[in-house]
Parts: sequence; structure tokens; C-alpha cells
Amino acid sequence: SQQGEEDPQALSIQEGENATMNCSYKTSINNLQWYRQNSGRGLVHLILIRSNEREKHSGRLRVTLDTSKKSSSLLITASRAADTASYFCATDATGSGNTGKLIFGQGTTLQVKP
Amino acid sequence: NAGVTQTPKFQVLKTGQSMTLQCAQDMNHNSMYWYRQDPGMGLRLIYYSASEGTTDKGEVPNGYNVSRLNKREFSLRLESAAPSQTSVYFCASRLSGRHSYEQYFGPGTRLTVT
Repeated sequence: SQQGEEDPQALSIQEGENATMNCSYKTSINNLQWYRQNSGRGLVHLILIRSNEREKHSGRLRVTLDTSKKSSSLLITASRAADTASYFCATDATGSGNTGKLIFGQGTTLQVKP
Repeated sequence: NAGVTQTPKFQVLKTGQSMTLQCAQDMNHNSMYWYRQDPGMGLRLIYYSASEGTTDKGEVPNGYNVSRLNKREFSLRLESAAPSQTSVYFCASRLSGRHSYEQYFGPGTRLTVT
């Protein structure tokens, strides 16, 4: 079963605007990761936030994590047309050992219009 | 470095036929994973190999087998393909140290079973 539920399922914004995607999950986690997938391509890792962290930044990306609500958000600031892609959250559940097993959400499809 | 490579890129099978999807990585990673992605959904883990010589079932292993041939290669076999196995298959790898959580993905194999 899918761990993560993401919303919105689809998001369309103008270039320069900010995009926010949300992810909720069900079990305790070691960390939560965000991946990006361009159409017809494999996934690319964007950013990881550990369970003891509340916020993390990487360039134009900002991730927050609220373990009490079992939710995370990904903010992309000053979006560009090249940010058009699908974005997935993935959780590394507590108890998975060092297997690296991830459970992915269903994804948010972001379209950035030039 | 080529990263994670997958062959073939596309495949059409008839129901009942068998085939093997190949995956190789040149990053000296310890762990490797097979996922499937169905339309509008995130990735679901089929099988994984946490280290050379070990393989374990993921979330959706039925109808599949895997072989970790050596540290570089991890193959996925469909013994008797079914239309429900029509999907895009992704292989991924991970270094698997204590601070190495990021997974690296191949470009995918698009499989259609008629």
C-alpha cells in the first residue's frame, strides 16, 4: 500500500510564482525524501530531511517536516519552466533497517507556464 | 560514469511469454532495487537487494523473480507475463552507508503485455 498521499495531484502556475506540494504518510520514519521525474525519465533525488529535522533548504527548494502530523511540504520558489515535472515524496520507514526501502507517494504533477 | 543503465528501453510481450529486464550500475553501490510505476501512481517496490548475495521481496513481488548476479548487476524476470504487468519498470541503486540514503534511478523499461 502507498505510504504517502500527495496533494495537490496537479498544479499549474506561472513562471516566477512559488509552488507548494504536500505529502502525508502513515508510519514512523527515519527520513523523508523528495524526488523529481521529468516526463519519460527516471527519478532524480532532490532533498532529504531526517526525522529529527523540521526544515531544510537547498537552493530554491525548501522542505518542512512535521512528524506529529506525519506530513511534509516541498516549496519551490521563483519557479521556472524547467521545473515542470512530477514530484514524489518517499519515506524510509522506521524498522526498515539499513535496507533503504522507500515507500513513494502518488506524486504531484507541476506545470510551470512561461 | 554511466550511472544506472537498463535494457531494453521498450518491450512488447504476449501473455505467457517470459523475459528478463537487465540493470547495471557502475557506482560501486551495495543496494539495488526494482520498482514498477503505473499511470498516475508512484513507484512500488517489487524486489530489492540490500547487498550482494541477498534479495528480498518488496511490496508487489508476485509474478517476478530477481537475481543479483554480482555487485553491478540486478536482473528482474517475468516467467509468464500477464497484462497486469504492463508498466514502466525502474531499477535503482544506493551506496547504503549510514549516511547514504539517496537512490539513483535508471531511465526505465516500458513493458506492454498484450
